[in-house]
Amino acid sequence: GENVEQHPSTLSVQEGDSAVIKCTYSDSASNYFPWYKQELGKRPQLIIDIRSNVGEKKDQRIAVTLNKTAKHFSLHITETQPEDSAVYFCAAKGGGNKLTFGTGTQLKVEL
Amino acid sequence: SAVISQKPSRDICQRGTSLTIQCQVDSQVTMMFWYRQQPGQSLTLIATANQGSEATYESGFVIDKFPISRPNLTFSTLTVSNMSPEDSSIYLCSVGLTQGATDTQYFGPGTRLTVL
Repeated sequence: GENVEQHPSTLSVQEGDSAVIKCTYSDSASNYFPWYKQELGKRPQLIIDIRSNVGEKKDQRIAVTLNKTAKHFSLHITETQPEDSAVYFCAAKGGGNKLTFGTGTQLKVEL
Repeated sequence: SAVISQKPSRDICQRGTSLTIQCQVDSQVTMMFWYRQQPGQSLTLIATANQGSEATYESGFVIDKFPISRPNLTFSTLTVSNMSPEDSSIYLCSVGLTQGATDTQYFGPGTRLTVL
């Protein structure tokens, strides 16, 4: 089955700096890659996603890039703000509409 | 997206008992899923709840321990049976909504279960 690795597990940045979280996947048939943000005690919220026929997607301060050849994808957050502090999960969808999640990255944006 | 609710939001249960968690969505959806999230951990898929047929369980999860019902396209239940402290976790339902060519998953608020 699919295996998704995510790095780093924790990330601390200064407000205004950029943050990058990286994931790799194992199943070359995976074709959909969402990112979820989970604040403490809250549900995971979809923040951006990308399909395998697209190399990059941007939504305001958030962007995701996908390298199908290397089987990795990354989340980029620019001009970070304290409200960006949360746990971020990447995921990959292979066959059967199932999502496999990465292990999560705790992002802390410091003032 | 969709409005997804879960009941109960949290519960404290005794070892050996069972708890049924309900998931309700405000529109008809084909795909519904149940996940477990242990404290400080990622999300692990328990099963896909299929309307009109038996749920499809992931490796490590069995129907006797986690029976699932899906009577219609807006509702599902997950039962955690014969609970032990190791079952203490957050249980989340999610629904798949078709947006373009992709089924996007959205999560319910979760049920925080503590087993004593």
